[in-house]
Amino acid sequence: GEEVAQTPKHLVRGEGQKAKLYCAPIKGHSYVFWYQQVLKNEFKFLISFQNENVFDETGMPKERFSAKCLPNSPCSLEIQATKLEDSAVYFCASSHPRRGSEQFFGPGTRLTVL
Amino acid sequence: AQKITQTQPGMFVQEKEAVTLDCTYDTSDPSYGLFWYKQPSSGEMIFLIYQGSYDQQNATEGRYSLNFQKARKSANLVISASQLGDSAMYFCAMREAQTGANNLFFGTGTRLTVIP
Repeated sequence: GEEVAQTPKHLVRGEGQKAKLYCAPIKGHSYVFWYQQVLKNEFKFLISFQNENVFDETGMPKERFSAKCLPNSPCSLEIQATKLEDSAVYFCASSHPRRGSEQFFGPGTRLTVL
Repeated sequence: AQKITQTQPGMFVQEKEAVTLDCTYDTSDPSYGLFWYKQPSSGEMIFLIYQGSYDQQNATEGRYSLNFQKARKSANLVISASQLGDSAMYFCAMREAQTGANNLFFGTGTRLTVIP
């Protein structure tokens, strides 16, 4: 597609429950990024993929967060045993194979952990 | 140290006037890119403008221009002829080339309010 798609738009989970977020990058874009935005202004980089391979995962809290980008499937970000501080908007972005291209963002998934 | 600093939490501008949103950056990488994104209240992130560290000229895109001062490590966004629809959060971001990472480092944003 011509836009980055993210589902669901909103997700509410009780503390300790699992949350799974999905992202379909723009067709032809081989880089996918996940960012976490808390408090409406702080962006934290989580993980990036080049096609189905993890490119950079330095931002991922690995004990509870995992992510995949499998061929012919939307990318996913999964949080096991959610905590209150995981409440945030999670953005997926994709960019063209030419490194350095601008990143196009999806509309985000708002995760609320109660 | 913060890689991107936006010192203006909020700015006001009169409709049809120009406004400058400040951004300074910190990197030792000689090759980097600077980006500005707009985030309206609806929450989506809209790419506005890009400046490469080796670009000789300041980037322009319609009413947006980037005042790139490399020696001062600043990349201010100038919006000319402000419109009510420009009211939003604006984020400055940087990507470093040589670290191998391709992710963006964001500032904390500036909330712009356009006054009729």
